[in-house]
Amino acid sequence: AAGVIQSPRHLIKEKRETATLKCYPIPRHDTVYWYQQGPGQDPQFLISFYEKMQSDKGSIPDRFSAQQFSDYHSELNMSSLELGDSALYFCASSSDRSSSYEQYFGPGTRLTVT
Amino acid sequence: DAKTTQPPSMDCAEGRAANLPCNHSTISGNEYVYWYRQIHSQGPQYIIHGLKNNETNEMASLIITEDRKSSTLILPHATLRDTAVYYCIVRVEDTDKLIFGTGTRLQVFP
Repeated sequence: AAGVIQSPRHLIKEKRETATLKCYPIPRHDTVYWYQQGPGQDPQFLISFYEKMQSDKGSIPDRFSAQQFSDYHSELNMSSLELGDSALYFCASSSDRSSSYEQYFGPGTRLTVT
Repeated sequence: DAKTTQPPSMDCAEGRAANLPCNHSTISGNEYVYWYRQIHSQGPQYIIHGLKNNETNEMASLIITEDRKSSTLILPHATLRDTAVYYCIVRVEDTDKLIFGTGTRLQVFP
């Protein structure tokens, strides 16, 4: 079965650079979520989109922005990168038509800021 | 948000049942209990969820107490591949974001 696709899988950037992470949800899933997991920490919710509109917002820095496109893929844009942004970034998707709201997670993008 | 409390770590022998407890004493009437697990640095994986009744699927069983203040995830026959961090999450009503706590690190040994 098709899963959530994230690209790139690994990314190395320097401080103050920008990065763009991409997420391709499971086909027919209309909701996308972004989570950040720092080293040794638990996943933290950043932001979510439903039908291309922002549906919820968590602890996402102002330097980050995200959007969902007409084909339901989503991009997380990160600017003025800091060392503390080094983390695993997970994207998850779900279907609003599912009553269980279970989220399917991608393999993550490992971002390293040097 | 309903807060969950889980033991930080547990061990289980391979082939035995793993019983992972979770306290959620402040849960509201319409809030669901979800369980996810994360195998080392992989994306979290959905296991099971429930509201009031006990639930079972191909992965696990979920036992929710009558007062809904606690629950137990049961892996009936643990294998080495079940070694992971298990998260008990109460989904806030009218939102679908997941608020991860610290979870239980389950180590299955041979």
